[in-house]
Amino acid sequence: DGGITQSPKYLFRKEGQNVTLSCEQNLNHDAMYWYRQDPGQGLRLIYYSQIVNDFQKGDIAEGYSVSREKKESFPLTVTSAQKNPTAFYLCASNGPGGFLNTEAFFGQGTRLTVV
Amino acid sequence: GESVGLHLPTLSVQEGDNSIINCAYSNSASDYFIWYKQESGKGPQFIIDIRSNMDKRQGQRVTVLLNKTVKHLSLQIAATQPGDSAVYFCAYSKAAGNKLTFGGGTRVLVKP
Repeated sequence: DGGITQSPKYLFRKEGQNVTLSCEQNLNHDAMYWYRQDPGQGLRLIYYSQIVNDFQKGDIAEGYSVSREKKESFPLTVTSAQKNPTAFYLCASNGPGGFLNTEAFFGQGTRLTVV
Repeated sequence: GESVGLHLPTLSVQEGDNSIINCAYSNSASDYFIWYKQESGKGPQFIIDIRSNMDKRQGQRVTVLLNKTVKHLSLQIAATQPGDSAVYFCAYSKAAGNKLTFGGGTRVLVKP
């Protein structure tokens, strides 16, 4: 089945550690996105990539890094510079679908907790 | 700066009644709007979208209304069911396919 897969579902990080969240899609979408969601809050854009080997900072990029070496993959690294990384992280991709020929599909999320 | 906001953080609805969820946005250049439904611990699920050259669009049990004059978006759910209990987000972008900005969300609780 086509879709977007995030792993792991739960992740624990010690303070000072870098961790990488995986996002893979087999929808042949060019654009991929990372959002952060805090409890009771909306989604805030961390990074996005409109095409392979290119990406742009979103609204809260500090303390995060990404790469886009393959169309299917857009991993997010939460670095030790991110002072409050505990959150729910959502990956999305844009592509054909829906009435307006675009629809952002979301993964099921990774819940990151600092211990 | 750009923002998309919601009037009501929590909406309690009796099963079978209609629900209306509201959203205000500030960027008049926005062209594309989407409503998402998010169940606990899951990623947002697309419900319906609308472009700025339309003022209404209907789906299955849902209707989205867009008032560009007052920069207001609403989602109407007909005959609300227990499975409709979730958090609903509006989102916008300057064009279909561009990055989305999300509102803060409204939690809908359906009472039996």
